[in-house]
Amino acid sequence: DPKIIQKPKYLVAVTGSEKILICEQYLGHNAMYWYRQSAKKPLEFMFSYSYQKLMDNQTASSRFQPQSSKKNHLDLQITALKPDDSATYFCASSRDWASQDTQYFGPGTRLLVL
Amino acid sequence: QQKVQQSPESLIVPEGGMASLNCTSSDRNVDYFWWYRQHSGKSPKMLMSIFSNGEKEEGRFTVHLNKASLHTSLHIRDSQPSDSALYLCAASPLNMGYKLTFGTGTSLLVDP
Repeated sequence: DPKIIQKPKYLVAVTGSEKILICEQYLGHNAMYWYRQSAKKPLEFMFSYSYQKLMDNQTASSRFQPQSSKKNHLDLQITALKPDDSATYFCASSRDWASQDTQYFGPGTRLLVL
Repeated sequence: QQKVQQSPESLIVPEGGMASLNCTSSDRNVDYFWWYRQHSGKSPKMLMSIFSNGEKEEGRFTVHLNKASLHTSLHIRDSQPSDSALYLCAASPLNMGYKLTFGTGTSLLVDP
């Protein structure tokens, strides 16, 4: 059974619309993260959460808003979508936030903005 | 300029051969290095991590770290076609272990 679930797997959106990417982890981890991977760019850290609390935000735009309704959930709301937002968005988790724990990545949501 | 540089960008090795991948950080604050493997269309999966100077071996995989130069290398011996993937190096600072900075990766093709 997959330990980190991301929904949907693929998403096509029109410019200016809003979408929510879902992430749930069943590893019992206390820390969760969002990363973005675009063509020809490094995998980019976006947010980190620990016990449902936002710990770090490396995105310059307020259009990206993480939401944590439960300790094992971390969704990502993206508003006013732009074609440049097209990327694969990975959710990840680790046992704890501050230590050098291995981060486990979910399968990703591939977003295409037209 | 990227803080984590990987080389080569792509690499082809014959099946059974040795693959050597390099990674250097330009951030003097980093203390921990990670190697992830990402097969096409899949998510990254952690292969090995290292924070002490020297060498660490796990099966066919060996990682070296030189902390003075912030250079790490990954060596894969007896390469298999299933090793064909994108290899990502990441670095994190001691006091911010969660904050992984990734390189753009080395694309490895093992030619059967």
